[in-house]
Parts: sequence; structure tokens; C-alpha cells
Amino acid sequence: KNQVEQSPQSLIILEGKNCTLQCNYTVSPFSNLRWYKQDTGRGPVSLTIMTFSENTKSNGRYTATLDADTKQSSLHITASQLSDSASYICVPFSPSGGYQKVTFGTGTKLQVIP
Amino acid sequence: EAQVTQNPRYLITVTGKKLTVTCSQNMNHEYMSWYRQDPGLGLRQIYYSMNVEVTDKGDVPEGYKVSRKEKRNFPLILESPSPNQTSLYFCASSLEGVNQPQHFGDGTRLSIL
Repeated sequence: KNQVEQSPQSLIILEGKNCTLQCNYTVSPFSNLRWYKQDTGRGPVSLTIMTFSENTKSNGRYTATLDADTKQSSLHITASQLSDSASYICVPFSPSGGYQKVTFGTGTKLQVIP
Repeated sequence: EAQVTQNPRYLITVTGKKLTVTCSQNMNHEYMSWYRQDPGLGLRQIYYSMNVEVTDKGDVPEGYKVSRKEKRNFPLILESPSPNQTSLYFCASSLEGVNQPQHFGDGTRLSIL
């Protein structure tokens, strides 16, 4: 069964500091991996997508990395802001014959404090 | 404004009383999906639809029904709700499939007593 494990489960950091969130997955075959940000009380919003051939991709202060060989991805947040407080969810995608099921990670809950 | 709209946002009801959660998108997306989110668990897919009149089960379809009579609407039906269906529900849509960014509604919090 495809699994997605994210760590840490929760994290508290001071405003302005950096942090890195981890995602390990067992999805196979693997096509791409997407990171979502979910603010409290809202639906998730796509942050970035990594295809199997990409190692690093940036979206403003967010930088995602991918190692398809070890099935690991990370999301690095630089110079954190209070608005970064949210859950970050990792979603790997497996193109299994057009199957449209998807497995979401349980997320890392980030709290940025002043 | 491009959006996915769910109604109601909150609902408290009793076991066995049929209910429907509506979902509508205005982006002309082919793909729509329903998820439930429970504490400590990731979003779990209930049903999805690739196009009008095409629906399929996700990972946790038991106790739920869906229909896709029009492209923009994808209602979730609980014929006989039970307390274990108390959860936060999200509807999502994307242009053609789950491989593309999904746009989520703001969620429906259901409490079944």
C-alpha cells in the first residue's frame, strides 16, 4: 500500500527563522510530488510540484527538493513569517494506468511565533 | 473569481437522517473529488469523477454516494449517516485529473449525533 510519512508532526519556530519539513513516500511507480499549504479552517492550496527529474524548485521563500531514488522530499521555508503558520501536506502521485486515486501525507503543522 | 463552493459549511444532524453536501466549481474542470479529513490522518479520498456521469471509488467510499449529472456539480450524499462519518469534508476540482493542482473548497464540518 502506498504510504506517505511526514516529519515532524508539528513545529514551532520564531518569526524570521528557517525550517525544513520532510516527506518520505513509498509510491511506485512515481511521477511527481506536490506540496500543499493548508491554513486552519481552509482547504489546501498547491505550493509547488516536483517531477521525478527535478531536484530543486523554488516558489518565493519556499524551496522544495526531491530525491526520487531515496523517495524523499523536503520543503524549506526561508525567513519565516507569521502567515506561514499552517499545515504543509506532501502528495506523491503514481500514474498507475490512469488511476486517479491519490494519497495525502498527514502533514506537518507549522506555527510561527513573534 | 475561480472557486469551489461547498454547502453547508457546518451541519449537526442525527444518525440515519439523509443529507447532501453540495459542491460546485466555476472553472469548467473535468475532475472532481471528495475527501474527508480526520485528526491524525491525512486527507482520504472518498469518491472522484473524471467527467460527467463518470465516478469511481476512492479509498473510503463506504456509506457515501455521489453523482455527476453536470460538469460543475458533484454532490456528496450520506443516505444513512452514522457517528463515524463525523468529519471535515473537502471537495476539490482540477482541470483533468489528480496529477494537476487541485482547487479545494473551504470544507464542510459534519457532526452526526
